[in-house]
Amino acid sequence: DADVTQTPRNRITKTGKRIMLECSQTKGHDRMYWYRQDPGLGLRLIYYSFDVKDINKGEISDGYSVSRQAQAKFSLSLESAIPNQTALYFCATEGQGPDTQYFGPGTRLTVL
Amino acid sequence: EDQVTQSPEALRLQEGESSSLNCSYTVSGLRGLFWYRQDPGKGPEFLFTLYSAGEEKEKERLKATLTKKESFLHITAPKPEDSATYLCAVQAAGNTGKLIFGQGTTLQVKP
Repeated sequence: DADVTQTPRNRITKTGKRIMLECSQTKGHDRMYWYRQDPGLGLRLIYYSFDVKDINKGEISDGYSVSRQAQAKFSLSLESAIPNQTALYFCATEGQGPDTQYFGPGTRLTVL
Repeated sequence: EDQVTQSPEALRLQEGESSSLNCSYTVSGLRGLFWYRQDPGKGPEFLFTLYSAGEEKEKERLKATLTKKESFLHITAPKPEDSATYLCAVQAAGNTGKLIFGQGTTLQVKP
């Protein structure tokens, strides 16, 4: 079983809809991250969390929110999706450190 | 501003033809430099972490090296299964955990 799982793997939605992407991990890591990947722009950090009570904005947090429900779960929400949020979204986890970040399989989100 | 630049953007090799990928970086104090491999439609897969200039790490046909301004990923006698996008990322000093990624080098190895 994968250490970092993301659901859904693919999602197509319409402009204005609320969307939640979920991430779960079995690595026992405290730190979790959300990134988006766009062609030509690489991976960019949206939000990160060092523990359940610690949430921080990354470089591109506008239009997104997150929830850390437990050590193992970190969700990303798009309150009102817009087409330029079409991208690949990755969750990552990291042990105490900083240390190596391990990525999930990704969610491909398309906003029409 | 912290920045990572990878070159070339794309590289096509014949099987067995060795080459190197470059990752140039500017960062306010380097905590670590990371190499990942990414296959189409999948998440980045961790390869190496380098912490200080002069450090080298190897894994099968891959060898990563680090200087104060850049890192190289050397691929020796590549095989078609080495085809992927290789991502470089740096982590600045401090405890934010934030990774700054380059745009990647897409490697294609032809049989």
